[in-house]
Amino acid sequence: AQKITQTQPGMFVQEKEAVTLDCTYDTSDQSYGLFWYKQPSSGEMIFLIYQGSYDEQNATEGRYSLNFQKARKSANLVISASQLGDSAMYFCAMREGRSGGGADGLTFGKGTHLIIQP
Amino acid sequence: SQTIHQWPATLVQPVGSPLSLECTVEGTSNPNLYWYRQAAGRGLQLLFYSVGIGQISSEVPQNLSASRPQDRQFILSSKKLLLSDSGFYLCAWRSGRALVQETQYFGPGTRLLVL
Repeated sequence: AQKITQTQPGMFVQEKEAVTLDCTYDTSDQSYGLFWYKQPSSGEMIFLIYQGSYDEQNATEGRYSLNFQKARKSANLVISASQLGDSAMYFCAMREGRSGGGADGLTFGKGTHLIIQP
Repeated sequence: SQTIHQWPATLVQPVGSPLSLECTVEGTSNPNLYWYRQAAGRGLQLLFYSVGIGQISSEVPQNLSASRPQDRQFILSSKKLLLSDSGFYLCAWRSGRALVQETQYFGPGTRLLVL
């Protein structure tokens, strides 16, 4: 079973509108971390935001916020007031606690290709 | 501040030729280092990670290998490339602290095309 599921392969959004990118995850660990990355056409992976499983409040970083619903195992990324420069691939990733104390890498979803239209 | 470098940026190699991709990190010590591969239009697949010099863990059996000859240097190699080795190779680092919230930071990547 996939550990990270991103159900939206592509999205078209009008500039200045808010965007929600879906991410659901699967883990039996109580301690885990969820990450969102942006990958523009240049290819570099840019870290956006982090949410810990024990965090009581949703994470926010500027125009990015995370709609964390633990019982539903979802961690959707919300981008407010979208801009043309937000056009990129967006990846949700997870680190599970039993391995997070070690060195294991992140498990990534397949990504959502977001295109902001003027 | 920490920076991560990868080279070359792009590479076109014939099938059966050797490969060496290099990754170096500046501004930190004892980092955990990672190699990921991304096929066209796909997510990232973890290939190798390292917690210290000479310590390599492999996630996926294949004809690739990794080495860490120095604390902040991570090398991805192959003796004979296959067509299926084509892709975008990303190096990443995180601090060595055993915390679930430690962020991974990625390098600019190497685009490899095997013909």
